[in-house]
Amino acid sequence: EIVLTQSPDFQSVTPKEKVTITCRASQSIGTNLHWYQQKPDQSPKLLIKYASQSISGVPSRFSGSGSGTDFTLTINSLEAEDAALYYCYQSSSLPKTFGQGAKVEIK
Amino acid sequence: QVQLQESGPGLVKPSQTLSLTCTVSGVSISSGGYYWAWIRQDPGKGLEWIGYIYNNGNSYYNPSLKSRASISLDKSKNQFSLKLSSVTAADTALYYCARDSCYGGSCNLDYWGQGTLVTVSS
Repeated sequence: EIVLTQSPDFQSVTPKEKVTITCRASQSIGTNLHWYQQKPDQSPKLLIKYASQSISGVPSRFSGSGSGTDFTLTINSLEAEDAALYYCYQSSSLPKTFGQGAKVEIK
Repeated sequence: QVQLQESGPGLVKPSQTLSLTCTVSGVSISSGGYYWAWIRQDPGKGLEWIGYIYNNGNSYYNPSLKSRASISLDKSKNQFSLKLSSVTAADTALYYCARDSCYGGSCNLDYWGQGTLVTVSS
């Protein structure tokens, strides 16, 4: 099973600042890595697919990069509505797995 | 637009079988290019992928569930279902159904239901 480790687990950030969340895979997964945002009492929402591909309707301040084992989700100019849990997810091999989650709080 | 909605009992007794159904609208579960998946979320452990099924009935399950999970299709109702046998308190979680959209052998979970809470308790 591929283990995904996200860091940091938590960060408190001022609006308009830049946020970076990393996801490291226990083995190479190419670009089969996706990012989800989950707000309280909501289901996860797809933010970025295949490491760096944007999703229609998702604000352009969200971007992703990486391949192999190291990936990054960047939120440029954080907004109050971005307070949420962020998960990475690999679809490279079965069973599919998620990272443990990274919480972003607004200062 | 594509929508998924989970339904089923919110309370299940230990050792019994958990049964949930996902009703899909906006797309046929018989369409090619999609797997139909179940994921659960325990607040203490994050998200866990349970398994998925394709329109031909092929399925795969997370080995962590030790063969207790089974997913099936009802094409006439555009639904798919999850059964989890011999449940314990550790199976208490929020259960989501989702569409796994695949292209060129790669997939991503692009649509999710709102989730249904299942508590295992006597």
